[in-house]
Amino acid sequence: GENVEQHPSTLSVQEGDSAVIKCTYSDSASNYFPWYKQELGKGPQLIIDIRSNVGEKKDQRIAVTLNKTAKHFSLHITETQPEDSAVYFCAASKKWTDKLIFGTGTRLQVFP
Amino acid sequence: EAGVAQSPRYKIIEKRQSVAFWCNPISGHATLYWYQQILGQGPKLLIQFQNNGVVDDSQLPKDRFSAERLKGVDSTLKIQPAKLEDSAVYLCASSLDLHIGGYTFGSGTRLTVV
Repeated sequence: GENVEQHPSTLSVQEGDSAVIKCTYSDSASNYFPWYKQELGKGPQLIIDIRSNVGEKKDQRIAVTLNKTAKHFSLHITETQPEDSAVYFCAASKKWTDKLIFGTGTRLQVFP
Repeated sequence: EAGVAQSPRYKIIEKRQSVAFWCNPISGHATLYWYQQILGQGPKLLIQFQNNGVVDDSQLPKDRFSAERLKGVDSTLKIQPAKLEDSAVYLCASSLDLHIGGYTFGSGTRLTVV
């Protein structure tokens, strides 16, 4: 069935360093890949997304890369700040559906 | 614009009792979703509405869960009777339309079944 694996489950970095979170999806029909940030007591917030016709997308300090052949995509955060500390989820959905399959989450801690 | 509103924020009930959650999506958003997020896991879709019609309810435990979206705006999700394993955060999300992506989540209702 549909499955999204996410690594690592926890990630600790020093302020100013880069953080990378990786996800692998199982369904080759997947064509939409969003990333969400979830802070304690809040709902997930969309931070960046990418579609399968694009290999890379960047928004200020955040970038996402997609490798369709290997069926994996990654989130890159540069110059991390303490306010980047949160749980990050990757997700994937198939063509013509809106059902998002989420990864298990990565808890990012940025130490000042 | 105002976000997705959910209530209550927290609910504690005993097993076998019933409970209902309410969601008001962003104005003009045709598509509404209910997700269940168990502690330490990613959200899982329970049901998806397009206006007031159901698009996908394949993972909704229909023997105990029900949901409706009357008039294509607000939605309610009900659990009757509740089980211990229903303890989770119930998230509502909305998007402008189908296949657009990037939907907006509410803050969720944290349900504890004791």
